[in-house]
Amino acid sequence: NAGVTQTPKFQVLKTGQSMTLQCAQDMNHEYMSWYRQDPGMGLRLIHYSVGAGITDQGEVPNGYNVSRSTTEDFPLRLLSAAPSQTSVYFCASSYSIIRGTGELFFGEGSRLTVL
Amino acid sequence: DAKTTQPNSMESNEEEPVHLPCNHSTISGTDYIHWYRQLPSQGPEYVIHGLTSNVNNRMASLAIAEDRKSSTLILHRATLRDAAVYYCILRDDTGNQFYFGTGTSLTVIP
Repeated sequence: NAGVTQTPKFQVLKTGQSMTLQCAQDMNHEYMSWYRQDPGMGLRLIHYSVGAGITDQGEVPNGYNVSRSTTEDFPLRLLSAAPSQTSVYFCASSYSIIRGTGELFFGEGSRLTVL
Repeated sequence: DAKTTQPNSMESNEEEPVHLPCNHSTISGTDYIHWYRQLPSQGPEYVIHGLTSNVNNRMASLAIAEDRKSSTLILHRATLRDAAVYYCILRDDTGNQFYFGTGTSLTVIP
């Protein structure tokens, strides 16, 4: 069982470039989400999905797009990267969307630097 | 949005118990309290969660105040591998959004 797999682990972009952070899980989880972690800020939710074809915004969605065409994959797209998007990005999934329960499984993170 | 407040840092001696506090005065009746921890250069990992009653598992215990406005994560015997940032999180009514604060950085002293 691979769990939650994120690629790439490291990426350097120039301002204005686009890229996609990939996230895949092999646990048949319905719920998937993306967080960003900045120094001193903790983790903040960007977007989440409760199933294939369903996505919604989190706390800090601006500048990011997501889609969920399959249960396994939940890519995060930066259409025009900005230095403010320099951060560590974590993908997380959960088997359950039942209220209050269901632990999140996190990937190892993707460190993005925008110059 | 339900939020939590935790001390920025705490220290503990190895093999002693650790009590990590969390305040969540705006908690709603249906919010679950979750705890996660993040070791250096890793993603957060689940520790424990609860609603009203105290909870125990192999990693830790969770003590929830009667009014639910605060909780305490208890590590019974701290080890060096427990050095991490611990996050107290409320899961909202829909179960879809987790709000992480800045967490408590735990240092374990040998």
